[in-house]
Amino acid sequence: EIVLTQSPATLSLSAGERATLSCRASQSISTFLAWYQHKPGQAPRLLIYDASKRATGIPARFSGSGSGTDFTLTISSLEPEDFAVYYCQQRSNWPPYTFGQGTKLEIK
Amino acid sequence: QVQLVESGGGVVQPGRSLRLSCAASGFTFNTYGMHWVRQAPGKGLEWVALISYDGINKYYLDSVKGRFTISRDNSKNTLFLQMDSLRAEDTAMYYCAKDLGGIAMDFDYWGQGTRVTVSS
Repeated sequence: EIVLTQSPATLSLSAGERATLSCRASQSISTFLAWYQHKPGQAPRLLIYDASKRATGIPARFSGSGSGTDFTLTISSLEPEDFAVYYCQQRSNWPPYTFGQGTKLEIK
Repeated sequence: QVQLVESGGGVVQPGRSLRLSCAASGFTFNTYGMHWVRQAPGKGLEWVALISYDGINKYYLDSVKGRFTISRDNSKNTLFLQMDSLRAEDTAMYYCAKDLGGIAMDFDYWGQGTRVTVSS
């Protein structure tokens, strides 16, 4: 089973700042990585798939990069609605699909 | 627009059964794979099961294999999860999610979830 490790666990930033979230895989997963945003009481939302492709309706301030074992989600300028928990997820070697443990992006 | 609405959650004793449903609308249901994903209290997301667009191929998390059964009724645009021999560790919010493709892609739309509590 592929293990995904996200860092940091918590990221404290202000609106307007740049956010950089990391996800490391226990073995190479090519570019089979997705990122999701999850707010309490809401459905998770797909942001990025295949490491760098923005999902339908996702603003351009969200971008993804990486391949192999190291991946990054960047939010170029934080909006108030961006504060949430972010998960990475792999589909390279399944079943099972696996998720990282999440990064909580909180308001500083 | 795509809508996924889960139902069927509740409080159940260990060893008992529960059947979850997910009503889908806003897309051609019979051309997409569908998933169940869960989130235990205070924990992260955990994939549970996948069914192909035609219902033929099914895949499970090891810890639910033999206890949970995923199925679908394409004539009613509905996804199901039959959960038998429930354990305390199955307590979670259960989400249904649409596959980005016919099978084995990422989850592009999710429902709001239905809560399952396994407790005596």
